[in-house]
Amino acid sequence: DIQMTQSPSSLSASVGDRVTITCRASQSISNYLNWYQQKPGQAPKLLIYAASSLQSGVPSRFSGSGSGTDFTLTISSLQPEDFATYYCQQSYITPFTFGGGTKVEIK
Amino acid sequence: EVQLLESGGGLVQPGGSLRLSCAASGFTFSSYAMSWVRQAPGKGLEWVSGISGGDGGTYYADSVRGRFTISRDNSKSTLYMQMSSLRAEDTAVYYCAKDRAPSSSGSYKDWGQGTLVTVSS
Repeated sequence: DIQMTQSPSSLSASVGDRVTITCRASQSISNYLNWYQQKPGQAPKLLIYAASSLQSGVPSRFSGSGSGTDFTLTISSLQPEDFATYYCQQSYITPFTFGGGTKVEIK
Repeated sequence: EVQLLESGGGLVQPGGSLRLSCAASGFTFSSYAMSWVRQAPGKGLEWVSGISGGDGGTYYADSVRGRFTISRDNSKSTLYMQMSSLRAEDTAVYYCAKDRAPSSSGSYKDWGQGTLVTVSS
């Protein structure tokens, strides 16, 4: 199975900060990488698919990059509603494994 | 509007069985691959199983292969997960998830609200 490793596992940031979360795959997954946001008590929400494609309706302050094994999710200017946990997920081959998550907290 | 409504969760003893259902509406169910994703209390997301829309091919995580069976009834627009030989570590909220597009696989735009499965004596 492909292992997905996210870093950091948590971070503290202020409104307006630029935030970067990284995700590394244990083998090349081309651009089959998705990013989700999850808030407590809610189902995950798809933000980015195919490494860099913004899901319709998602604010443009979210962006994704990378290919092969190394990927990045960037929030250009953190907003109050962005405090949540973020997960990467590979959809290259089943099982479609998730990263361990990155919790973004208020500083 | 896409709607996914899970049901069937509850308390079950170790070694027991349970069947989850996910009633879908608002899209052509047979055209989309569907999956189950779970989340243990306070933990991260775990992909459990998926089923293709066309040929009905099925896929499983190692942790559930041989114990769980995913299926679908396109005439009823319903996804199922038959779970047997349940263990304490299967305790989680189980989400039904729909692929983003008919041609995609494994990226999920639409999710149900989740159903809680608790395995305990």
